[in-house]
Amino acid sequence: NAGVTQTPKFQVLKTGQSMTLQCAQDMNHNSMYWYRQDPGMGLRLIYYSASEGTTDKGEVPNGYNVSRLNKREFSLRLESAAPSQTSVYFCASSLVGGHGYTFGSGTRLTVV
Amino acid sequence: SQQGEEDPQALSIQEGENATMNCSYKTSINNLQWYRQNSGRGLVHLILIRSNEREKHSGRLRVTLDTSKKSSSLLITASRAADTASYFCATASVDSWGKLQFGAGTQVVVTP
Repeated sequence: NAGVTQTPKFQVLKTGQSMTLQCAQDMNHNSMYWYRQDPGMGLRLIYYSASEGTTDKGEVPNGYNVSRLNKREFSLRLESAAPSQTSVYFCASSLVGGHGYTFGSGTRLTVV
Repeated sequence: SQQGEEDPQALSIQEGENATMNCSYKTSINNLQWYRQNSGRGLVHLILIRSNEREKHSGRLRVTLDTSKKSSSLLITASRAADTASYFCATASVDSWGKLQFGAGTQVVVTP
């Protein structure tokens, strides 16, 4: 099925642990994004990649790193998880920046 | 910081009624988009309206844009129980390449 695939769907981490959230799209989109969604705050951009080989910070990048592995894949890494990073994380892609996004189904992360 | 703010925060209507929600934003935009999110799922793109457009239709959806007031509205006609979801506006600002900024959303409940 065409779309954006995120793994894992759920994760519980202990404070200080690290993990990588994976995202892959098969729509030949150029741009990819990572957002986090917290109650009452909408979605906030963490990092984005305008095209293969480029990445840039969004609104809330602290505590995260990203890798645009190739045109299809864009991963998000938490090096040392903190309770403030408890959230739902969404990956999205678009053919070109600023146009309609296709979202993955999300990763629900809890840091204890 | 959020670019768009939706109003109302929550809306409860009966099947067959129309649902209207509004979005206000702060900066000049290239386009404005509306997304739907069903509980526990990713966001789904509904419609995009460009800054030089004033109204757009897609099925039971009607979107208006008033750039002089920096506001948009989404009208869902003849609501169905399946329209129960959260609705988000997102703006692509002129000075913020390709990155959508999302509002906090309007939660719509349609009762049979």
